[in-house]
Amino acid sequence: DGGITQSPKYLFRKEGQNVTLSCEQNLNHDAMYWYRQDPGQGLRLIYYSQIVNDFQKGDIAEGYSVSREKKESFPLTVTSAQKNPTAFYLCASSTETISPRAEAFFGQGTRLTVV
Amino acid sequence: GDSVTQMEGPVTLSEEAFLTINCTYTATGYPSLFWYVQYPGEGLQLLLKATKADDKGSNKGFEATYRKETTSFHLEKGSVQVSDSAVYFCALSPDTGRRALTFGSGTRLQVQP
Repeated sequence: DGGITQSPKYLFRKEGQNVTLSCEQNLNHDAMYWYRQDPGQGLRLIYYSQIVNDFQKGDIAEGYSVSREKKESFPLTVTSAQKNPTAFYLCASSTETISPRAEAFFGQGTRLTVV
Repeated sequence: GDSVTQMEGPVTLSEEAFLTINCTYTATGYPSLFWYVQYPGEGLQLLLKATKADDKGSNKGFEATYRKETTSFHLEKGSVQVSDSAVYFCALSPDTGRRALTFGSGTRLQVQP
């Protein structure tokens, strides 16, 4: 079945550590996105990529980094510079670059907790 | 910049009641509009969408009409079920500039038997 796989489902990080969240899709989508979800605040865009080897900052990119070396993969690293990383992280993909107005498909999310 | 405003929740209804969740947006041009649903601990699923003015999106008994004159995309369902309990997000995708969804803050719906 085609879809988006995020791993791990739960992740615990110690203060000062970097952690990497995985996002893989087999939908052959060009565009991929990372969102952060906090209670009562909806989803906020961290980074997005419309093509391999290219990505753009979203609204809350500080303290995060990404790479897009393969079409299928868009990992997100939460660095120690991110002051409040505890949140639910959602990865998405779409055919937006070739089909404007297309919907985004979401993974099941990774819940990151700082301990 | 673009923004989406949703009514605050939680919205608590009895089974078979009528549902309306209000959504208004601010955007230039002609954005596409979406409703997504999130069940506990899961990602978002597309519920319905509309890509131009006066379009009506519908799915699983839910409907929403793209009203350009009032910049609104209100979600409605005639008779809710307990299984509809979830968080509902209104979102827009612009037709120019940054091609990424902008979301509202979400509205939690609780349906009681």
